[in-house]
Amino acid sequence: AQTVTQSQPEMSVQEAETVTLSCTYDTSESDYYLFWYKQPPSRQMILVIRQEAYKQQNATENRFSVNFQKAAKSFSLKISDSQLGDAAMYFCAYRGGNMLTFGGGTRLMVKP
Amino acid sequence: ETGVTQSPTHLIKTRGQQVTLRCSSQSGHNTVSWYQQALGQGPQFIFQYYREEENGRGNFPPRFSGLQFPNYSSELNVNALELDDSALYLCASSLGLERYNEQFFGPGTRLTVL
Repeated sequence: AQTVTQSQPEMSVQEAETVTLSCTYDTSESDYYLFWYKQPPSRQMILVIRQEAYKQQNATENRFSVNFQKAAKSFSLKISDSQLGDAAMYFCAYRGGNMLTFGGGTRLMVKP
Repeated sequence: ETGVTQSPTHLIKTRGQQVTLRCSSQSGHNTVSWYQQALGQGPQFIFQYYREEENGRGNFPPRFSGLQFPNYSSELNVNALELDDSALYLCASSLGLERYNEQFFGPGTRLTVL
């Protein structure tokens, strides 16, 4: 079974600074997708960024980028120029079949 | 806003009762997945429906069941409620089964079992 681990329960960043959230996963599959989701206090889960395992190029979406290391099974999220609105729970998720497997989440706090 | 709605927002039940949670998918989305998110944890996959048929199930007992309707709305039913069923229940809709398809999540229903 696939597992996703987020080792940082909580992270803090100063506004306008850069922060990196860590994620590791375990799978025997070679073809899969990885996602980062943001869950603000309003609870609605929003997709931040996705990465296809067969693509070596790291995905980028505006201030959000990933560092995908397939051999190490690592998928970290970098948030540049952090904003107050980035404060939320962030979940790393794996999809090999028809289900998403989520990590335990990292709470990101942004200090003004 | 993702265009996915859920009702009710909050619900309080007692142990042994039955509950029905509802989800309205984005227009045209033929796939819906349900997740259980316990407090302080990541969501766990319950099951998925595709074109009104169950298309995969996580590690949940049969007392968790679902329905998907032709208009792509769906229900999650839980029988014989237990205290551990207290959680946020999320539905997510998507267009098709392809793994790269984004799943659009609703705001969730907070279920409390006393």
